[in-house]
Amino acid sequence: GQQVMQIPQYQHVQEGEDFTTYCNSSTTLSNIQWYKQRPGGHPVFLIQLVKSGEVKKQKRLTFQFGEAKKNSSLHITATQTTDVGTYFCAGPTSGTYKYIFGTGTRLKVLA
Amino acid sequence: DGGITQSPKYLFRKEGQNVTLSCEQNLNHDAMYWYRQDPGQGLRLIYYSQIVNDFQKGDIAEGYSVSREKKESFPLTVTSAQKNPTAFYLCASSNIFKAGRAYEQYFGPGTRLTVT
Repeated sequence: GQQVMQIPQYQHVQEGEDFTTYCNSSTTLSNIQWYKQRPGGHPVFLIQLVKSGEVKKQKRLTFQFGEAKKNSSLHITATQTTDVGTYFCAGPTSGTYKYIFGTGTRLKVLA
Repeated sequence: DGGITQSPKYLFRKEGQNVTLSCEQNLNHDAMYWYRQDPGQGLRLIYYSQIVNDFQKGDIAEGYSVSREKKESFPLTVTSAQKNPTAFYLCASSNIFKAGRAYEQYFGPGTRLTVT
């Protein structure tokens, strides 16, 4: 079945360092969504990418959708302690509105 | 104030008992979802519903049941047949795909279920 994997599983960075998480799907995706879950909280939608090669920015966060629409990345520039949490990507299964969530990358930022 | 509510936040049950988790939304969303999250893990889909009186099994539906009698409500019952029910349960809702456009999911605060 369709799988969505993320690497790394964990990442510890010093405050001010950059961070990147990668998302890889076993199938081509029509779109990809990114969510952030703070410790003890619930996932919150960050962004959706639809077009091949699309790049979107939200302040220090840069999201990219691969040319083949099978992979995506989230890059955070100059991390802050408020960036702590788990970042998930999610892609739709073909022909449905059911989304498969990636395994997540847990980010810790050391002050 | 629009959103999704789940109750209770924490729930404790004895093994062998069925338990129902509540999920209500006032976002006027057609689609609703139930996910299970285990410590340090991702989200796994239990059930989802696109319309009232209709729902489909997700990837881990065994031992769970749902109903969708109202657009706003999508309760989840964790039955005694679920072998390892202790987990964090998240409910979500979204608009359904329209003209090829996908919509984001809005999540409730979750219910932490502990079964001993």
